[in-house]
Amino acid sequence: QKEVEQNSGPLSVPEGAIASLNCTYSDRGSQSFFWYRQYSGKSPELIMFIYSNGDKEDGRFTAQLNKASQYVSLLIRDSQPSDSATYLCAVRDRGSTLGRLYFGRGTQLTVWP
Amino acid sequence: DGGITQSPKYLFRKEGQNVTLSCEQNLNHDAMYWYRQDPGQGLRLIYYSQIVNDFQKGDIAEGYSVSREKKESFPLTVTSAQKNPTAFYLCASNEASSYEQYFGPGTRLTVT
Repeated sequence: QKEVEQNSGPLSVPEGAIASLNCTYSDRGSQSFFWYRQYSGKSPELIMFIYSNGDKEDGRFTAQLNKASQYVSLLIRDSQPSDSATYLCAVRDRGSTLGRLYFGRGTQLTVWP
Repeated sequence: DGGITQSPKYLFRKEGQNVTLSCEQNLNHDAMYWYRQDPGQGLRLIYYSQIVNDFQKGDIAEGYSVSREKKESFPLTVTSAQKNPTAFYLCASNEASSYEQYFGPGTRLTVT
């Protein structure tokens, strides 16, 4: 069974700060990594994906991947109260042509004004 | 308006009854998935399908059944054999060439 680990939090940051969310995974051969945002009572929303080592930036979001350390992170710059949500890390099963994902339990983020 | 629709949003059933959750997508996606989410838990895969008339069990398939008679539809039946069916059920899909899964709005099932 593939393991995807996240700190459950809650992580609490002030408005305008950088929020750093971390995720580790057990399958060294994993190649595709995804971050989803889930507001309370809603379904997950894909916000970032990364396939290559290094950083990938999209607006206020930066995904960082280090395959050697089996570690992927999400940085949220200039955090806003509207960023308050649970963030789910997901890793694609490399052995599956279907692309099934394994999800962590999520990190709850609170951004306070 | 493209997307994934799930119905109903809320569903209440008595124990011992089978119930079918609907999932439809008009994105022309090949692969479709059913997940279950319990409070404070991550998503657990129930069933998935890559093509019409073919599907595979996920990690927690016991007590569930699916069909894929049309590309755009992937209904999930929660049978009376599922011991703890109360949960938030999420349907997702992606193109065959992309692994970026997108989710429907979910169905919250309560069985009493």
